[in-house]
Amino acid sequence: DGGITQSPKYLFRKEGQNVTLSCEQNLNHDAMYWYRQDPGQGLRLIYYSQIVNDFQKGDIAEGYSVSREKKESFPLTVTSAQKNPTAFYLCASNSGTSGNPDTQYFGPGTRLTVL
Amino acid sequence: QKEVEQNSGPLSVPEGAIASLNCTYSDRGSQSFFWYRQYSGKSPELIMFIYSNGDKEDGRFTAQLNKASQYVSLLIRDSQPSDSATYLCAVSTGGGNKLTFGTGTQLKVEL
Repeated sequence: DGGITQSPKYLFRKEGQNVTLSCEQNLNHDAMYWYRQDPGQGLRLIYYSQIVNDFQKGDIAEGYSVSREKKESFPLTVTSAQKNPTAFYLCASNSGTSGNPDTQYFGPGTRLTVL
Repeated sequence: QKEVEQNSGPLSVPEGAIASLNCTYSDRGSQSFFWYRQYSGKSPELIMFIYSNGDKEDGRFTAQLNKASQYVSLLIRDSQPSDSATYLCAVSTGGGNKLTFGTGTQLKVEL
């Protein structure tokens, strides 16, 4: 059963804590993305990776970090430096091949709440 | 700054009517255009994409693209209550796979 999985579905963070959100895909996609969505807002790009061991900052990277050690995995760490982390976090991936080079497919999301 | 603009709505249409959702974009280099549907509390799911000027039909959905006017739209025929959701327009500029999203239009299909 192919797709993108994210865990956990819900996550609660205390002030000053770092937390890591998991994103795994078995679609053999090269590119992976992390977005943040606030209520009533569109998706804002945090980080993206087009190949293993390489990633780039998106529009709102401050307070976040990522790694891409395996093609299938792109975890996102929300650090204590992120002052307003409560949001819905979405991971996406695409193949980067010809045909549908840009179509991104999304995981189910992680809802992060700061206590 | 590259922007994608959508009317936030809500757009209310009666069941069986045609819903028309609109999106404008600022980057003339944009090449690929996507419509996603997002139910409350869920992740976006792709409805359809369009690359060329004109219309593209898929079942009850039709995407329309006018690059000269920097305008893309989504028509939903025979609207159903299950179509009630937020519709996100996304735009990709050549040279990469990054997407820029609009804030979405909330559609309500009323019985």
